[in-house]
Amino acid sequence: GEDVEQSLFLSVREGDSSVINCTYTDSSSTYLYWYKQEPGAGLQLLTYIFSNMDMKQDQRLTVLLNKKDKHLSLRIADTQTGDSAIYFCASPVSGNTPLVFGKGTRLSVIA
Amino acid sequence: EADIYQTPRYLVIGTGKKITLECSQTMGHDKMYWYQQDPGMELHLIHYSYGVNSTEKGDLSSESTVSRIRTEHFPLTLESARPSHTSQYLCASSPSGTGTEAFFGQGTRLTVV
Repeated sequence: GEDVEQSLFLSVREGDSSVINCTYTDSSSTYLYWYKQEPGAGLQLLTYIFSNMDMKQDQRLTVLLNKKDKHLSLRIADTQTGDSAIYFCASPVSGNTPLVFGKGTRLSVIA
Repeated sequence: EADIYQTPRYLVIGTGKKITLECSQTMGHDKMYWYQQDPGMELHLIHYSYGVNSTEKGDLSSESTVSRIRTEHFPLTLESARPSHTSQYLCASSPSGTGTEAFFGQGTRLTVV
């Protein structure tokens, strides 16, 4: 089945860029998602990318997809303290199956 | 804004009690899910449903059960709670179709003492 891997921790200074990386195993994944979880809350969809795209930009967020290496990254420009949270990469095993989540990357922003 | 609700938000109960965690969505989504989240962050799929009267077990074996009698409602029941059931339980839903995003509730944090 699908396996999604992420590094567990990232610490950056306020104003710097953050890059969170993710690898996945199933090359038939059609969409890949980034979710954000703040303390005590559920997951909130941040952005997604369709598998035929290489890049997607949405304000401070940039998603890069390397299908050959099955590597997905999320870049947050001008990182703010409010960006401190856990970020999950997610992918369905195939088009219509439940999402498989990575273990989450805990982003800490230092003022 | 997603309209998916979980109750209660927090629950502390004694060992051996029967409990039901409620999850409701008002978006008419066919697909609904229950995830269990470790204190160390990882999410595990424990149950899912693709429509009324359809339920499936997820990747993580769970002693809980679910039902889907109405589209909008997907409750999770533990017949006899144990301390090992202490966790955060997250409910989610998504519309039918390929590659659709999942909308999450706020979660229920369960503590069994």
